[in-house]
Amino acid sequence: GENVEQHPSTLSVQEGDSAVIKCTYSDSASNYFPWYKQELGKRPQLIIDIRSNVGEKKDQRIAVTLNKTAKHFSLHITETQPEDSAVYFCAASAPRSSNTGKLIFGQGTTLQVKP
Amino acid sequence: DAGITQSPRYKITETGRQVTLMCHQTWSHSYMFWYRQDLGHGLRLIYYSAAADITDKGEVPDGYVVSRSKTENFPLTLESATRSQTSVYFCASSVAGQGLGEQFFGPGTRLTVL
Repeated sequence: GENVEQHPSTLSVQEGDSAVIKCTYSDSASNYFPWYKQELGKRPQLIIDIRSNVGEKKDQRIAVTLNKTAKHFSLHITETQPEDSAVYFCAASAPRSSNTGKLIFGQGTTLQVKP
Repeated sequence: DAGITQSPRYKITETGRQVTLMCHQTWSHSYMFWYRQDLGHGLRLIYYSAAADITDKGEVPDGYVVSRSKTENFPLTLESATRSQTSVYFCASSVAGQGLGEQFFGPGTRLTVL
């Protein structure tokens, strides 16, 4: 069935370093890949997304890359700051369930940025 | 965002009781979703709805019932609560189908089943 694997489950970096989170998906027909950030006790919020016709997208310190052939996509955060500490979720659209808006989420990565 | 709200925010109930979690959105989004979030499992889809009166099962539907008589409301009912249903429940909505639109999440309901 449809599946999204996310790694690592936890990631600790020093402030100013870069952080990379990787996801793989199983459905080759998936065409939308959002990333959500969830701060402690809060709701998940979209931080960046990418569609299958684009290989890379940047927004200030965050970027997402997509490799459709390998069916994996990654989130890159540069110059990390303590406020980047949160749980990050990747997701992939589930197009075989047509026109439902469904997303399949990865298991999440807890990012800790040490001052 | 005030556009999607959930109630109650916290609920404690006992095994076997029926519980209904409410979700309301003011954007007239067609698509609505219910997720549960447990440590180590991320966000798992319980039920979703593409429009009023159209609902379908997600990944973990057992023990839950939904309805959608109006576009703006999508209540989730636990017919006979079990301890394994202790979790944080998030409702979400989206304007676009085909998985091409951002899902907006409500603030969540923390449910404890004793």
